Amino acid sequence: KNQVEQSPQSLIILEGKNCTLQCNYTVSPFSNLRWYKQDTGRGPVSLTIMTFSENTKSNGRYTATLDADTKQSSLHITASQLSDSASYICVVNSKGTASKLTFGTGTRLQVTL
Amino acid sequence: DGGITQSPKYLFRKEGQNVTLSCEQNLNHDAMYWYRQDPGQGLRLIYYSQIVNDFQKGDIAEGYSVSREKKESFPLTVTSAQKNPTAFYLCASSIDGESSYEQYFGPGTRLTVT
Repeated sequence: KNQVEQSPQSLIILEGKNCTLQCNYTVSPFSNLRWYKQDTGRGPVSLTIMTFSENTKSNGRYTATLDADTKQSSLHITASQLSDSASYICVVNSKGTASKLTFGTGTRLQVTL
Repeated sequence: DGGITQSPKYLFRKEGQNVTLSCEQNLNHDAMYWYRQDPGQGLRLIYYSQIVNDFQKGDIAEGYSVSREKKESFPLTVTSAQKNPTAFYLCASSIDGESSYEQYFGPGTRLTVT
């Protein structure tokens, strides 16, 4: 069964600090991996999409890494801001159509003063 | 929220009533999707449509129905047969159904059934 596991489940950090969120997956065959940011009560917004051949991708202060051999990804947030407080969802797409997405349960990040 | 609108944002219904959630997109996307989000769980696919007048069941289609009469619109009906309809419903679209294309999500509708 395809699965995506994220850790930690929740995280609290001080503004200005860095943090790293983890994603392990067992989806096969692999097509791409996506990270989404979801504010409370809102729809998810895409941060990055990485294919098998990409091992790092940045979007401003967000940097995602992918190790397709170990089936692990991470999302690193640099110099966190209060507006980074949200849930971060890892999504893995198996080959075929876009309907074959497996969603993680997310990491809830809270950035405090 | 990228050109996808969902209405209403909050919806309250009595048990036993059907209710229809609206989803409209102006991105000229061929593919549209409906997901359900429950606390502590990942998004789960209810229905998807890759082209007008065609749609397929997702992983949890029981108790739901959809139509795709126009490219821009993909309404979801939650029927009285859905045993646990209270949830946050998200609509999404992508250029087409190919896996490499990004899905854009709407703002969501929170449905509460009592």
